[in-house]
Amino acid sequence: KNEVEQSPQNLTAQEGEFITINCSYSVGISALHWLQQHPGGGIVSLFMLSSGKKKHGRLIATINIQEKHSSLHITASHPRDSAVYICAVKYGGSQGNLIFGKGTKLSVKP
Amino acid sequence: GAGVSQSPSNKVTEKGKDVELRCDPISGHTALYWYRQSLGQGLEFLIYFQGNSAPDKSGLPSDRFSAERTGGSVSTLTIQRTQQEDSAVYLCASRGDLYNEQFFGPGTRLTVL
Repeated sequence: KNEVEQSPQNLTAQEGEFITINCSYSVGISALHWLQQHPGGGIVSLFMLSSGKKKHGRLIATINIQEKHSSLHITASHPRDSAVYICAVKYGGSQGNLIFGKGTKLSVKP
Repeated sequence: GAGVSQSPSNKVTEKGKDVELRCDPISGHTALYWYRQSLGQGLEFLIYFQGNSAPDKSGLPSDRFSAERTGGSVSTLTIQRTQQEDSAVYLCASRGDLYNEQFFGPGTRLTVL
């Protein structure tokens, strides 16, 4: 059983739409990462957060520690946002390796 | 360099052969991770190096897999007697001491025929 669950698994949106991707995890964590993987395979770290909310451009990430849940929002989506978005967590007792969700494949149509 | 680099970018090998994958982390980063992503699967942790400490090998799937990190910098992941199920993208990431953020390399796509 994957300890990090993402939803939806696939998401198709029209350009300009507001997008939300969800991530839930099972036990206490020390940090949560949102990663973006482009079709060519390269991975970019978007956010790392342990509480509250972070914003970078059109991307917003929030985390609710009590509910063990995080969301990634994309405002005014654009076709170049099309990618796989991956949630990964670092559990408090681990030495540092991440546990990954299976990813959400986003396709934004023009 | 400015980021994590990996080589080769693509590797095609025959079943039973050994392969070596290389990772050059960001200069000064003390932590180095190897992950793999099999087709249609999520990322999977393989091994973690932190400074001079003994590596965390808990993610290695079999004893055919090994990794070393020489001089606290470059790392090599070796897969012996490759099997078709070893086909995947192997990703390396490094992390500095100040922040928890990991920086990923572009990956090596391994295909075992």
